[in-house]
Amino acid sequence: NAGVTQTPKFRILKIGQSMTLQCTQDMNHNYMYWYRQDPGMGLKLIYYSVGAGITDKGEVPNGYNVSRSTTEDFPLRLELAAPSQTSVYFCASSYFNSNQPQHFGDGTRLSIL
Amino acid sequence: KQEVTQIPAALSVPEGENLVLNCSFTDSAIYNLQWFRQDPGKGLTSLLLIQSSQREQTSGRLNASLDKSSGRSTLYIAASQPGDSATYLCAVYMIKAAGNKLTFGGGTRVLVKP
Repeated sequence: NAGVTQTPKFRILKIGQSMTLQCTQDMNHNYMYWYRQDPGMGLKLIYYSVGAGITDKGEVPNGYNVSRSTTEDFPLRLELAAPSQTSVYFCASSYFNSNQPQHFGDGTRLSIL
Repeated sequence: KQEVTQIPAALSVPEGENLVLNCSFTDSAIYNLQWFRQDPGKGLTSLLLIQSSQREQTSGRLNASLDKSSGRSTLYIAASQPGDSATYLCAVYMIKAAGNKLTFGGGTRVLVKP
């Protein structure tokens, strides 16, 4: 009963480094999402995918890239990490039916120093 | 652009008191509104989803109302318990949005004191 699994849970990066945040879901959901949550703020959508091979930008896509080669996996890539990307990153998934709620992972806490 | 606001940002109540959490949104063309709970260091857990055609939704001690015309939703938690301490977020799904995209409020952090 894994649901949405994110790795790693914590990471510290130096400015200019790159990394990939992993997300996998075992619910056969079509839709997957990446959000960031800054302290005291709501979630902002970075990228989303409506199915394998299809991705689209959300509200705050700059500095990030995604790919969706399988239904299960939706990795988020940070290139040239910047301090402004210090945040908590959440991956979520849902069925194509918008009446179904999104299911969230436990998040990745990322600090850029 | 849709904006979702939750006031207050934090709330502290004694155990047993009823909780009233507010959510307002600027664009009434919503498809549904969702309430989530977030525990420290954890992701979001869906509590209730209200369709735009519904006025309220109930689950156990939780009741959420929706007034689309005034752009408001209220989450009521009856007889609060220390285990209800968490951050509660509301989010709206717009009719014209693609990909089931949600717009979130900033959340209300709730502390229920024993």
